[in-house]
Amino acid sequence: GAGVSQSPSNKVTEKGKDVELRCDPISGHTALYWYRQSLGQGLEFLIYFQGNSAPDKSGLPSDRFSAERTGGSVSTLTIQRTQQEDSAVYLCASSLFTGELFFGEGSRLTVL
Amino acid sequence: AQKITQTQPGMFVQEKEAVTLDCTYDTSDQSYGLFWYKQPSSGEMIFLIYQGSYDEQNATEGRYSLNFQKARKSANLVISASQLGDSAMYFCAMREGYNTDKLIFGTGTRLQVFP
Repeated sequence: GAGVSQSPSNKVTEKGKDVELRCDPISGHTALYWYRQSLGQGLEFLIYFQGNSAPDKSGLPSDRFSAERTGGSVSTLTIQRTQQEDSAVYLCASSLFTGELFFGEGSRLTVL
Repeated sequence: AQKITQTQPGMFVQEKEAVTLDCTYDTSDQSYGLFWYKQPSSGEMIFLIYQGSYDEQNATEGRYSLNFQKARKSANLVISASQLGDSAMYFCAMREGYNTDKLIFGTGTRLQVFP
């Protein structure tokens, strides 16, 4: 498809389990972002990849969160030992170096 | 300190009227960009309009315009002739500097358009 693709669209997990969320950006987009949106809240920046530069991890809330981007394309956000406060929609976006972000539909994570 | 401030958690407007959604920002950079995104109840984020810090004219895109007041560090979104389909969350965002595409978002304003 032409847009940003995220999977899974919904994930329910038990507290303490690890989860992986995947983002497939628009082909050719050099920048990739992860944001978190809790219910009724704004977008919280998590991490940003730009080309081959070191990622900006300044928004990751704890060391349980990590992300990687393989081959400058697909990205995986991993949350270890999930907690209930991790429940949110995780949004991925990609862009060319122009500023306009194209967002995926998000992965809704529910931690029981 | 918050980089992007949206002080209106909710706004109401009657169909066909204009509405202004407020956004103020904080940066020491001379070069930056300001964005507005719309998020309907379906959840997708839709890009609306962009204003560069060096742009002399206020940005316009159809019924959307950005009232950019650089000295006051404000970038208010004006929606003219509101439609029922404009009901959504609206987020202001800022990109700082030359060498990053990182966007920081405000907390959003929920707009409700009534007939």
